[in-house]
Parts: sequence; structure tokens; C-alpha cells
Amino acid sequence: GQQLNQSPQSMFIQEGEDVSMNCTSSSIFNTWLWYKQDPGEGPVLLIALYKAGELTSNGRLTAQFGITRKDSFLNISASIPSDVGIYFCAGQLGYGGSQGNLIFGKGTKLSVKP
Amino acid sequence: NAGVTQTPKFQVLKTGQSMTLQCAQDMNHNSMYWYRQDPGMGLRLIYYSASEGTTDKGEVPNGYNVSRLNKREFSLRLESAAPSQTSVYFCASSEGHYLKNIQYFGAGTRLSVL
Repeated sequence: GQQLNQSPQSMFIQEGEDVSMNCTSSSIFNTWLWYKQDPGEGPVLLIALYKAGELTSNGRLTAQFGITRKDSFLNISASIPSDVGIYFCAGQLGYGGSQGNLIFGKGTKLSVKP
Repeated sequence: NAGVTQTPKFQVLKTGQSMTLQCAQDMNHNSMYWYRQDPGMGLRLIYYSASEGTTDKGEVPNGYNVSRLNKREFSLRLESAAPSQTSVYFCASSEGHYLKNIQYFGAGTRLSVL
């Protein structure tokens, strides 16, 4: 099936640092979504992107829909301890049928630097 | 605002036992989904229901059955549980499978099969 390559798999953050992660695919998507999952909870939507080149912010989070429509990026500025968790990208190929389903990356796990 | 509610939150089964995972949403959404989440694998789609009265297989449907009981409820059944079905199961809903598929997730059911 379709795959999204999400990187990095994990990273350690120190309070105040900026964080970047991305998702890439060989397929063209019409929607990109970014979710965050806290331990013991379900994923929560952070940002939704619908157009190539679109740049959208949600507080300290900024995400971009890549120009080629095959990738997306999420940046977190001035990280704080509550940013730890797992971040997932998800892409939608089209509308209806199996194309309408979301394809998820394997996640980027953010932890606090020891 | 309850959103998506899943029951039970935790379950332990013996190999060969059956059980049904329940999911209900109060957002008047048309589409509902069942995923499983395994370490390092991200979220994988088991079954989905694009609209009331329809169900379709996702990426990993073997060993599962579903029922879209009404617009609010979508259940997942394991007829004969196997250790390979030990996982965290998430239900999600969205306004429409034929639109921008923004999905909202429940808190999950943690299932262990011994």
C-alpha cells in the first residue's frame, strides 16, 4: 500500500529549542494533516493543509504543504515540556473510496533531553 | 463535548475468545473508522464506514468484522482472538469520506490477547 516516510523517528528536545520534522511520499496528496498523541490518549488534530505551498500556523506550530504535493513539514518553535509526545503526519490522496482514507506516517517521538 | 467514545478502555482476552469493541460519536459525522496502533507501525486502517449502511475493508482487515449499527455507532468484533491482535485500537469519525477527511479520534482500547 501507500507509504509516508516520516522523519526523524525520534528526537530529544531541550526547552526553548526549535524542532522540525517532515513527511515525504512518492504519491501526490490533496490534503495533509498533522496530529499529536499524548501517552494513553488518541491523536489530536494540530493543523490541516489543503493547498500546495500553503503555510499554516497554530500558536508555536507551523506546517507547510509542499509545492510538489508529495511532502509536508511541521516546525515547533521555542519548545516547552508539554510538547513531548508522538507527532503523526497523515495524507489524503483523493475523495471517496479508498482514496479518501488517511495514510499515516509512523510518527516522530519527541522526548526531553536527559 | 464527548466527541468519540470507545468502550472498554482496557481488555485482556485468552486466545480464541471473542469480543466486541464499541464506538459512538456525537458529532453527527457520516464516516467512521477503526485503526490499530502497534509500536513503530503508526496507525493502520482495519475497516471503515463511509456512510451509514456501508462498510469496507482497510489495510489490515483479517480477523475482524464490523457493524455500522446506526449513524452514531460503529463496532469492531474479534471472533477468535489471537496474540497477534494484541494492540491499541482507535475509533475515529469524520464529516465525510468524500470531503476533506478530518478525523477525530477516541481515547483507544488497549487489548491484550494471552
